[in-house]
Amino acid sequence: SAVISQKPSRDICQRGTSLTIQCQVDSQVTMMFWYRQQPGQSLTLIATANQGSEATYESGFVIDKFPISRPNLTFSTLTVSNMSPEDSSIYLCSVGAGGTSGRAQGFFGPGTRLTVL
Amino acid sequence: DAKTTQPPSMDCAEGRAANLPCNHSTISGNEYVYWYRQIHSQGPQYIIHGLKNNETNEMASLIITEDRKSSTLILPHATLRDTAVYYCICPGGSNYKLTFGKGTLLTVNP
Repeated sequence: SAVISQKPSRDICQRGTSLTIQCQVDSQVTMMFWYRQQPGQSLTLIATANQGSEATYESGFVIDKFPISRPNLTFSTLTVSNMSPEDSSIYLCSVGAGGTSGRAQGFFGPGTRLTVL
Repeated sequence: DAKTTQPPSMDCAEGRAANLPCNHSTISGNEYVYWYRQIHSQGPQYIIHGLKNNETNEMASLIITEDRKSSTLILPHATLRDTAVYYCICPGGSNYKLTFGKGTLLTVNP
């Protein structure tokens, strides 16, 4: 299994500012992902954080708005840039790691609850 | 990824079995079925997965039909702490990169 921590756990920000969210894993993992969960909605994948190369973004998400860093196999950051109230969401870090029955599974961090005023 | 269909909500009495259905009629032969749950204000939690055989672990049992077009997650003795949104996912090529649908909100009542 993998234990994931995120900082900050929550924040309230002013529109037009940026916030960087950190994700720390207790073991080296190849695959790291960032998800967004808007109020009352399900999770949506933002991007795959690739170690040593640029992140791979899903449709509807761009690097200028959500720059991602992945300096090593245990750490990643997601920045929410030039925030607007529509960015108010829970942002979750996820990793793929070895699981039971020889089949890997996804593990999720506790999330960062962001409110933009 | 195979599209999955789940009822939006279900109720269950505490101590009884909770049976959560999922339809995945377009699943391909090598796609696994995964179940996650999200308790309010927490990150999703892995529950169980399977390919074609029924599976059981300390949390739940997974029953997959012979044609693999549907499955049922069984919580044998539901508790109030099992109240959560349950997601059935068939991740296809990547079992880490997950596409979440709306899931089923299971409410366990005292």
